[in-house]
Amino acid sequence: NAGVMQNPRHLVRRRGQEARLRCSPMKGHSHVYWYRQLPEEGLKFMVYLQKENIIDESGMPKERFSAEFPKEGPSILRIQQVVRGDSAAYFCASSPTGYSNQPQHFGDGTRLSIL
Amino acid sequence: DQQVKQNSPSLSVQEGRISILNCDYTNSMFDYFLWYKKYPAEGPTFLISISSIKDKNEDGRFTVFLNKSAKHLSLHIVPSQPGDSAVYFCAVADRGSTLGRLYFGRGTQLTVWP
Repeated sequence: NAGVMQNPRHLVRRRGQEARLRCSPMKGHSHVYWYRQLPEEGLKFMVYLQKENIIDESGMPKERFSAEFPKEGPSILRIQQVVRGDSAAYFCASSPTGYSNQPQHFGDGTRLSIL
Repeated sequence: DQQVKQNSPSLSVQEGRISILNCDYTNSMFDYFLWYKKYPAEGPTFLISISSIKDKNEDGRFTVFLNKSAKHLSLHIVPSQPGDSAVYFCAVADRGSTLGRLYFGRGTQLTVWP
């Protein structure tokens, strides 16, 4: 499967726990974007990463959220001490370059539910 | 502060007819425009795009029109098919930026009935 792979597809956490969402970009893509979709909303940009670098994290909440894209392995979006408002669908997208003249390709998302 | 607006949350069209989905944006810096289609429990799938140097781009049954002066774009699907039933998101970007982020509208749920 050459597409963007996200896991888990569904994640249930209790308030105060940590959530880890993983994203493997398409083969040959070194640029990864995370978006969040709240119910009845469009996708909102969170963070843009290249291998080992955070390029733009202006869409990330200031606290509890972090992201990384290590040299080896998938990109990780981490949410510490989750709260009910974190319940959403989290989508990862990848592209071969960081320029906006190429479409981004999305994974099927991780649906995070907070009890 | 919504920079991309899709004012119709839903659209219902009979099979074989034309579907027209609309999108407005506020920032004249945006110069690359995309449409994504999304089925439930799946990620958005890229459909078609257009850059600001063109006013029309066509791919099979799908055509995107861009009116830069009005900051408006539309997606035409003709003829519409039941398999086109999905949520359609308009997305915009600034090609001059190396940051690559996309700005999305809230989506329009298209239902194509037989």
